[in-house]
Amino acid sequence: QLQLQESGSGLVKPSQTLSVTCAVSGGSIRSGDYSWSWIRQPPGKGLEWIGHIYHTGSPYYNPSLRSRVIISVDRSKNQFSLELSSVTAADTAIYYCARGRRKGEINWFDPWGQGTLVTVSS
Amino acid sequence: DIQMTQSPSSVSASLGDRVTITCRATQGFTNWLAWYQQKPGKAPKLLIYATSSLQSGVPSRFSGRGSGTDFTLTISSLQPEDFATYYCQPANSFPPFTFGGGTKVEIK
Repeated sequence: QLQLQESGSGLVKPSQTLSVTCAVSGGSIRSGDYSWSWIRQPPGKGLEWIGHIYHTGSPYYNPSLRSRVIISVDRSKNQFSLELSSVTAADTAIYYCARGRRKGEINWFDPWGQGTLVTVSS
Repeated sequence: DIQMTQSPSSVSASLGDRVTITCRATQGFTNWLAWYQQKPGKAPKLLIYATSSLQSGVPSRFSGRGSGTDFTLTISSLQPEDFATYYCQPANSFPPFTFGGGTKVEIK
């Protein structure tokens, strides 16, 4: 059974770069026509899709964050990563990784990692 | 981007009640929808994809339907483990992907 596990910088200072990694186990990041997404959730609020990447290395970013986001994949380690630069308090959130599935024109996310809280504070 | 509005934002219900949550496209159009359940302190969990297809292992008391701009998630008989927040996601093919604002199902 595929499992995703996030890890990363729990506390980041304003203007610095947030880094989070998602380790994939129980399956290969290279298998199938899947995308690998980052989704965040500020405390007590809703979900925001940040972007995704395919194992071939083709990323797509949410236009609202595009200027600050880099998503990369490390096939040798079976993991993918998120970097978000110039962070502010508004970037404080639980960061989830999730596998994107696509069937024809239909997309959904399953499974999800447990999430990691990143707090932006001086 | 497709924007979805969920209603109600919260609902209080009793065990055994039938609960229906609506997700409406207020900007854009979608042929397909996914639904997720999120319990406190946990990651969202896929319940339904492709509008009405139940994810493996999800109880049959959950059902989804709809098309175009209006979609619903129905819990036919509310169980203790169903108290959670539910999110819809327009499931069309092109990113950026978005989510509805969520509906919290609480105990009456």
